[in-house]
Amino acid sequence: AQSVAQPEDQVNVAEGNPLTVKCTYSVSGNPYLFWYVQYPNRGLQFLLKYITGDNLVKGSYGFEAEFNKSQTSFHLKKPSALVSDSALYFCAVRARTGYSTLTFGKGTMLLVSP
Amino acid sequence: DSGVTQTPKHLITATGQRVTLRCSPRSGDLSVYWYQQSLDQGLQFLIQYYNGEERAKGNILERFSAQQFPDLHSELNLSSLELGDSALYFCASSVAYRQGTGANVLTFGAGSRLTVL
Repeated sequence: AQSVAQPEDQVNVAEGNPLTVKCTYSVSGNPYLFWYVQYPNRGLQFLLKYITGDNLVKGSYGFEAEFNKSQTSFHLKKPSALVSDSALYFCAVRARTGYSTLTFGKGTMLLVSP
Repeated sequence: DSGVTQTPKHLITATGQRVTLRCSPRSGDLSVYWYQQSLDQGLQFLIQYYNGEERAKGNILERFSAQQFPDLHSELNLSSLELGDSALYFCASSVAYRQGTGANVLTFGAGSRLTVL
């Protein structure tokens, strides 16, 4: 069975500082990895995904994520946080082989203070 | 607007009742997915349909059922409701499902918030 762990329920960062939201995964074989963001009273929005190739993936709104196969991690990063980045962030994984549904982590609330 | 439409946005009902949640996928998308989001369980996959056929089933209770109609809209039926069914129910759609398209991005609707009293 595949799974995603987001070890932090909440991450607090000051505006202008770099941010990291952690994600580790477990899946049979190589994964497809995704980050989604959920703003209050909204559905999830796609941020970025890792398919293959460069381990550093760039996505929307200045976010990027680094795929580390040996550590089975896919941490979300941004060099300079904005107050408007405050939201709930979900990491998700899907196996490449056979049929696999998209499995989400429990989410990490990012709070960026002015 | 993501292009995925869910109705109703909010629904308040009593225990034991039955409700139907509706989803219209983004134009051109053939796959529809239903997820349940609650504070304690996070985002749980319920069921997926592709072009009218059930393709995958997750943690969906027997009291719940779903279907996808020929026009590709989908309905999630929740019956004999319990307090614990109170949650945000999301529908998502994607272009297609077939082998080798696992990198497809899901597009989510805004959700239907169900409150069972």
